[in-house]
Amino acid sequence: EDQVTQSPEALRLQEGESSSLNCSYTVSGLRGLFWYRQDPGKGPEFLFTLYSAGEEKEKERLKATLTKKESFLHITAPKPEDSATYLCAVRWGSGTYKYIFGTGTRLKVLA
Amino acid sequence: DVKVTQSSRYLVKRTGEKVFLECVQDMDHENMFWYRQDPGLGLRLIYFSYDVKMKEKGDIPEGYSVSREKKERFSLILESASTNQTSMYLCASSLGQGNEKLFFGSGTQLSVL
Repeated sequence: EDQVTQSPEALRLQEGESSSLNCSYTVSGLRGLFWYRQDPGKGPEFLFTLYSAGEEKEKERLKATLTKKESFLHITAPKPEDSATYLCAVRWGSGTYKYIFGTGTRLKVLA
Repeated sequence: DVKVTQSSRYLVKRTGEKVFLECVQDMDHENMFWYRQDPGLGLRLIYFSYDVKMKEKGDIPEGYSVSREKKERFSLILESASTNQTSMYLCASSLGQGNEKLFFGSGTQLSVL
């Protein structure tokens, strides 16, 4: 069964305490893995797209990496404003516009 | 920046009512989507549209229909609202043509009583 699993469900970090969020997937024919950030009461906001194993993308304190089975979102020296839910989604197959979303990791960064 | 606008932030409806949720995007995107988001279940695709008047069912289309008469507007219709349709509804769009990142609206929190 095609699925996307994110871990942990929730994570509390002290400001400056680096960590990683995991997104593992079991789909055939990956056509893109996407990371989004969602603040409470808002829609998800795009962060990164990764297409092939070994690819990395960076934005400020965030770095996303991709292997054949999982992706990591590394957060370096986080700040309280990084607190949000981080969602992972995969697009797979051909001729389809479907994505599978994970249930997200709720990150709380304490000052 | 792309803007995806959902017509209502909060809605309260009665069981059996017909409910319309409207979504407008301003960047000439080909594809538009309706998702619902429930705690512990993540985002689930209801319907999507890849062109005007074209639509395809997502993973949970039962009880819903959609309309796309103009490229910029995608409407979700709950034919007869039920309590199990209480949820956060998110509209999204993507450019298409190989650029598939999704741009989301702020969501509509629908409560069906």
